[in-house]
Amino acid sequence: EDKVVQSPLSLVVHEGDTVTLNCSYEVTNFRSLLWYKQEKKAPTFLFMLTSSGIEKKSGRLSSILDKKELFSILNITATQTGDSAIYLCAVGETSGSRLTFGEGTQLTVNP
Amino acid sequence: NAGVMQNPRHLVRRRGQEARLRCSPMKGHSHVYWYRQLPEEGLKFMVYLQKENIIDESGMPKERFSAEFPKEGPSILRIQQVVRGDSAAYFCASSRKGQRSNGTQYFGPGTRLLVL
Repeated sequence: EDKVVQSPLSLVVHEGDTVTLNCSYEVTNFRSLLWYKQEKKAPTFLFMLTSSGIEKKSGRLSSILDKKELFSILNITATQTGDSAIYLCAVGETSGSRLTFGEGTQLTVNP
Repeated sequence: NAGVMQNPRHLVRRRGQEARLRCSPMKGHSHVYWYRQLPEEGLKFMVYLQKENIIDESGMPKERFSAEFPKEGPSILRIQQVVRGDSAAYFCASSRKGQRSNGTQYFGPGTRLLVL
């Protein structure tokens, strides 16, 4: 069965800290890995990664994929209280349409 | 460009009643996906539809659950004879292209179903 594991499950930091969130996966036919930010409402799309070693950046957020070791990291630098959310990692396969999600990392950024 | 719309945002039903959840995809998107998020769990895929077709329903419970995406109008997820275990957040996502073409899925705000 396909599996996506995120760590840590929960993280509390102070504003200005840098955090690294981890996502490892086991899927039969990997196509893409996606990161979403979930606050109280809809999961909001952050990144889609398909190739190893290519960093994607958006402001203070960046992410990279390692297809050999089957993991991805999401980095957030200079964290702000508005970064507090659940960060979800999901993997899509070539053979189907579904995304398989991890349980998420609950990030809390304190002022 | 409005995002994915879902309604109602909150739905309370008593055991045995029916729940109908609606999803309007983003403009230009013809692929719709439904996911369920049980308390303290991650999002779990339920069904993938294109207009008038169910493409993959491998995540749907075998009984009481059905989904449709008619030619006109929103996609509907229908739960008949709800039970307490159906209480969850139901999220809809849409994409312009199918997942096999790397179509990014954009999520709606979800419908939180509470079964009393």
